Amino acid sequence: ETGVTQTPRHLVMGMTNKKSLKCEQHLGHNAMYWYKQSAKKPLELMFVYNFKEQTENNSVPSRFSPECPNSSHLFLHLHTLQPEDSALYLCASSQGLGARTEAFFGQGTRLTVV
Amino acid sequence: QKEVEQNSGPLSVPEGAIASLNCTYSDRGSQSFFWYRQYSGKSPELIMFIYSNGDKEDGRFTAQLNKASQYVSLLIRDSQPSDSATYLCAVMNRDDKIIFGKGTRLHILP
Repeated sequence: ETGVTQTPRHLVMGMTNKKSLKCEQHLGHNAMYWYKQSAKKPLELMFVYNFKEQTENNSVPSRFSPECPNSSHLFLHLHTLQPEDSALYLCASSQGLGARTEAFFGQGTRLTVV
Repeated sequence: QKEVEQNSGPLSVPEGAIASLNCTYSDRGSQSFFWYRQYSGKSPELIMFIYSNGDKEDGRFTAQLNKASQYVSLLIRDSQPSDSATYLCAVMNRDDKIIFGKGTRLHILP
């Protein structure tokens, strides 16, 4: 069982669809992150949750809606996306904000918006 | 000024030589620095972290940090073809956000 698990691994959706990405961590961490990785761009931080509370919303459009029901699970709800939203979406977790700790990544969800 | 800057490469290094990867960051209050390796189609994998000025060695990898110059580097000794990947520099800034550079593509020539 890997430390950070993301599902689905691949997703194709139309612009009018609603879908959700799921992330689960088994590391006992308190902070969870959503990152977006597009071609030829750096990893972009989207959202940060610390102890289930959202501490960062990095100017992300409202068509992306995060949910963190507990410290182990993180969702990213998607609706009315645009083709430019096609990217690799990576979930990560770390021990906690302010701690000298690295982020561990899931395998990512490759999203294609058609 | 971008928060974390890296040369995108590709950096080509002969097998057995030393690969040197560089990174600069803008937030002087940053405390934690990481190097991740990412193979094509895979997620980033942590290979080194460093918090204090100076060098930190782990096997063939050495991370170097100079906070005064806001510079962090990664040296890979005895480069192997399996080291060919994109190397991402990441910095935890004063706001506790982990910010990534664009990454440097490294190609080890057999």
